Amino acid sequence: KNEVEQSPQNLTAQEGEFITINCSYSVGISALHWLQQHPGGGIVSLFMLSSGKKKHGRLIATINIQEKHSSLHITASHPRDSAVYICAVREGAQKLVFGQGTRLTINP
Amino acid sequence: DAGVIQSPRHEVTEMGQEVTLRCKPISGHNSLFWYRQTMMRGLELLIYFNNNVPIDDSGMPEDRFSAKMPNASFSTLKIQPSEPRDSAVYFCASIKGLRVDTDTQYFGPGTRLTVL
Repeated sequence: KNEVEQSPQNLTAQEGEFITINCSYSVGISALHWLQQHPGGGIVSLFMLSSGKKKHGRLIATINIQEKHSSLHITASHPRDSAVYICAVREGAQKLVFGQGTRLTINP
Repeated sequence: DAGVIQSPRHEVTEMGQEVTLRCKPISGHNSLFWYRQTMMRGLELLIYFNNNVPIDDSGMPEDRFSAKMPNASFSTLKIQPSEPRDSAVYFCASIKGLRVDTDTQYFGPGTRLTVL
């Protein structure tokens, strides 16, 4: 069973700061997902990556398969980035195992 | 596309009552997933379907829970009888293909269930 750990659990920062959220997993995987859950509850898939780095706007996701670790970075953070960020890895055929999430609050 | 549609958005019921949650996946998507989210346990997969066929229901907590997908555009998750510990947000998600590690999941808005 793959265990997914995220850190920190909660993060508060000022607008403009560089943000890093970490995700570690215990069993080798083929791909990792980063999801964003808005304060209203909706969940959006941000990234799906299996190696290296991906970038969408101010969001950057990296993964190190050998170290079983991924990071999500947000540059020039903004209050609208406030959300819960969740990483997930595949277990078995089609089951995703989720981390507990990191609650990010960006203050103006 | 309208995205994944779930109904109702909120449900409040009394212990012992039957609850039915509904989901319409994105048209053309071949796999559908039901998740439950609680403060204590986070997001958990309950069951998933490939081409309307249930593939893995090992996440369904007990016999009180059942799910069906009678056609490609509709699925239900039923709880009978409901208990207070079933209170959670239930999400439905779909993907175009059959591989959760390569396909983007599209989530519905969720149904917030409260069992009194």
